Amino acid sequence: GQQLNQSPQSMFIQEGEDVSMNCTSSSIFNTWLWYKQDPGEGPVLLIALYKAGELTSNGRLTAQFGITRKDSFLNISASIPSDVGIYFCAGPTSGTYKYIFGTGTRLKVLA
Amino acid sequence: DGGITQSPKYLFRKEGQNVTLSCEQNLNHDAMYWYRQDPGQGLRLIYYSQIVNDFQKGDIAEGYSVSREKKESFPLTVTSAQKNPTAFYLCASTPTGTYEQYFGPGTRLTVT
Repeated sequence: GQQLNQSPQSMFIQEGEDVSMNCTSSSIFNTWLWYKQDPGEGPVLLIALYKAGELTSNGRLTAQFGITRKDSFLNISASIPSDVGIYFCAGPTSGTYKYIFGTGTRLKVLA
Repeated sequence: DGGITQSPKYLFRKEGQNVTLSCEQNLNHDAMYWYRQDPGQGLRLIYYSQIVNDFQKGDIAEGYSVSREKKESFPLTVTSAQKNPTAFYLCASTPTGTYEQYFGPGTRLTVT
């Protein structure tokens, strides 16, 4: 079945640094979603992408829909301590309303 | 405030008992979903419903049941047939016409 692979699995960065993470799939997606989850809480939708090549920003976050439609990227600029959490990519599987999720990138920010 | 509510936040049950997790939304979303999250893993789909009185099995439906009698509500029952029920359960909903999925705060179920 379809899978979403996220890289890296975890990151330790210094406050103020920029962060990049990506999500890849073996099959095409028409929508990419990026979420952040804090411990013990539900994921919060950060950015939704709908077109190949699309670049969308939400504050310090920027996400891109890969041209091949098989990948997506999330960048966080000038990280701050509250950026700590797990970032998930997700998307609806082709022709259905079922979603699959990546295994997440765990971000830790060192002050 | 509009949103998705799940109650309770923490739930404890003895093995062999059925337990029902609540999910309510006042966003007027048509589609609702239940996911299970285990430590260090991504979300896995249990059941989803696109409209009232209709629902479909997800990837790990065995040992679970749902109902969708009202648009606002999508309760999940974890039955005694579920072999490993201890997990974090997340409810989500999606408005018609988009693929943006929104999540509730989750219920952590512990079965001993």
